[in-house]
Amino acid sequence: QQQVKQSPQSLIVQKGGISIINCAYENTAFDYFPWYQQFPGKGPALLIAIRPDVSEKKEGRFTISFNKSAKQFSLHIMDSQPGDSATYFCAASKETSGSRLTFGEGTQLTVNP
Amino acid sequence: GAVVSQHPSRVICKSGTSVKIECRSLDFQATTMFWYRQFPKKSLMLMATSNEGSKATYEQGVEKDKFLINHASLTLSTLTVTSAHPEDSSFYICSARDFSSNSPLHFGNGTRLTVT
Repeated sequence: QQQVKQSPQSLIVQKGGISIINCAYENTAFDYFPWYQQFPGKGPALLIAIRPDVSEKKEGRFTISFNKSAKQFSLHIMDSQPGDSATYFCAASKETSGSRLTFGEGTQLTVNP
Repeated sequence: GAVVSQHPSRVICKSGTSVKIECRSLDFQATTMFWYRQFPKKSLMLMATSNEGSKATYEQGVEKDKFLINHASLTLSTLTVTSAHPEDSSFYICSARDFSSNSPLHFGNGTRLTVT
């Protein structure tokens, strides 16, 4: 059972553009929603995370938008750069589970110069 | 910040042999660590939760006799792939969290296992 669905599978954006990746979840008990960035041959690195009590969180060029009623959240990368080219994963967990994360399928982002 | 170190980064072994992968929390104590498996261009699938001083908790469908987990200290968890077969070839990643400081989950850099 895929509890976190992510789209698109791949995304190509021009330098300076906005990259948008979307995720939807099923389990209403999830209360922590992080986004991870992964480069080839490396482990995932936490980018930004949000909890359901806020609708938006911004850190630098990265913004999470969260819609609790729709059970959806998205990552926006402003002013996308070639160095942002990587695979992005959304995830979700229940805090009481001790950080057991359920990951989305991943989005391969390519930012062209 | 909290750092998780994983070793080795790459390993090649022959079918039938066993391989041990180490996961260390470098500047914090981790009573719980998590082991994930990732196939090429695929997502991370949680294999098991490693608990210091007690048995690991395995996810449904993960063979506990195939993937032995030992968490003997507060900074070290090991994953041993026993009697490895080519289908065990994958990218194995551990993660840990410093609950004492309420820091987020940190991942190691993964181990690329190739079974020939």
